[in-house]
This record gives sequence, structure tokens and C-alpha cells, in this order.
Amino acid sequence: GAGVSQSPSNKVTEKGKDVELRCDPISGHTALYWYRQRLGQGLEFLIYFQGNSAPDKSGLPSDRFSAERTGESVSTLTIQRTQQEDSAVYLCASSVGPGGNTIYFGEGSWLTVV
Amino acid sequence: QKEVEQNSGPLSVPEGAIASLNCTYSDRGSQSFFWYRQYSGKSPELIMFIYSNGDKEDGRFTAQLNKASQYVSLLIRDSQPSDSATYLCAVPAGSSNTGKLIFGQGTTLQVKP
Repeated sequence: GAGVSQSPSNKVTEKGKDVELRCDPISGHTALYWYRQRLGQGLEFLIYFQGNSAPDKSGLPSDRFSAERTGESVSTLTIQRTQQEDSAVYLCASSVGPGGNTIYFGEGSWLTVV
Repeated sequence: QKEVEQNSGPLSVPEGAIASLNCTYSDRGSQSFFWYRQYSGKSPELIMFIYSNGDKEDGRFTAQLNKASQYVSLLIRDSQPSDSATYLCAVPAGSSNTGKLIFGQGTTLQVKP
């Protein structure tokens, strides 16, 4: 597609359930990023993929969070045993490559844990 | 400790005025600086980036760097109501060449007709 595509756009889940968020980056973009944005806050880095590898996962807040990328394309962010503090917008971004290239964001997946 | 700081605002300016948004950063070695605009409920979009070698002007937008004081500014001339949004400043994280960005919390700009 023309831009970064994320799904679902909105997700309401019960506390304790697992959720999966999907990201389709721009075709040909080797670098992929996940960020989290809580209401009224800035963006928190979660994880960076170069190809299918994740050389930097330093922002994952706990072991309940994991992510993978396959085919140097689609990425899935999984949150296990969701907690209310996980409620946020999860933004995926991609760029041609690492190191200063323009990063393009998707519209985000709005997660609400009730 | 935060690496990028912004005044959350809101900054309110009348239509046609110059809006000045500031961002301070802690890493003296930062070489590039990014400004993103985020409309309410939308994703951030890049509007400007500069390198440490100088300021940059693009239409109504000017990004200025003050290395000595470690802050970067975004000036918006002839502000329009459509400029009302949150402006996020970002710098690359450390010396890693991953493209990972550290964002400030953003400054909300309100341009009043």
C-alpha cells in the first residue's frame, strides 16, 4: 500500500486478555518501529526491526510485550495479560533504512483495556 | 531522565502571527533534529528536519538550532487555524544508527481566527 497500515484501528479488551496488533509497513522499507503514546503524552519507543531482526527492543515495558516481523514486511505486537495501564495508541512506523531516514507513521491502533 | 523536553502548552497565537515552539535536548552530541505535527486523533507526520550544520526554511516553517544552549526552535510564520495541532520534537537516540527517535511530549498550538 501507499502508507503504513495498522489493524485493528480500535480495540477494546478486557483486563487479562491477550491482544495482537498488526502493522504493514511501506513496501521496501527495511526498518520498522513500534511506539506507544498514552493520552496527552509523547511517543515512547518500544522496539525496532531491521529486516526480521530486532536489534533494539529496549523499550518493551515488560515481558508481557513481544513483537515479531516476518518476510521483512508485516509485524505483530503482542500484549499478553493486558492491564489497564496498557491503554494507549500503538503506533507503527517504517523507513527505507535506519539512521536518519524519514520515518512514516501509521494511523495507530487505539487500545483500551477495561 | 528525559532527553527531549517541550512545554506542553497550549500555546495560543492569533491568526497571522508567528508561532515559536521550542525544544531542549540533553545529548550535546545530537546531530539531527526532527519536528512532527500531530493533529488530534491522527498519527504524527514529519514537517521538518535539520542537521547540526545549520538552520532550515521551508515555506512558512523555519527550524533553528542553538547548539550552545541545546535547543531547537520551530517558527511558523503567518499562522493559520489549520496549523492548530501538537508539535513533537524528536532526536535520534544516542549514537546508535538505528533511526530510533526520542520524542518530547509535544507542544499544543492553538491558532485563533
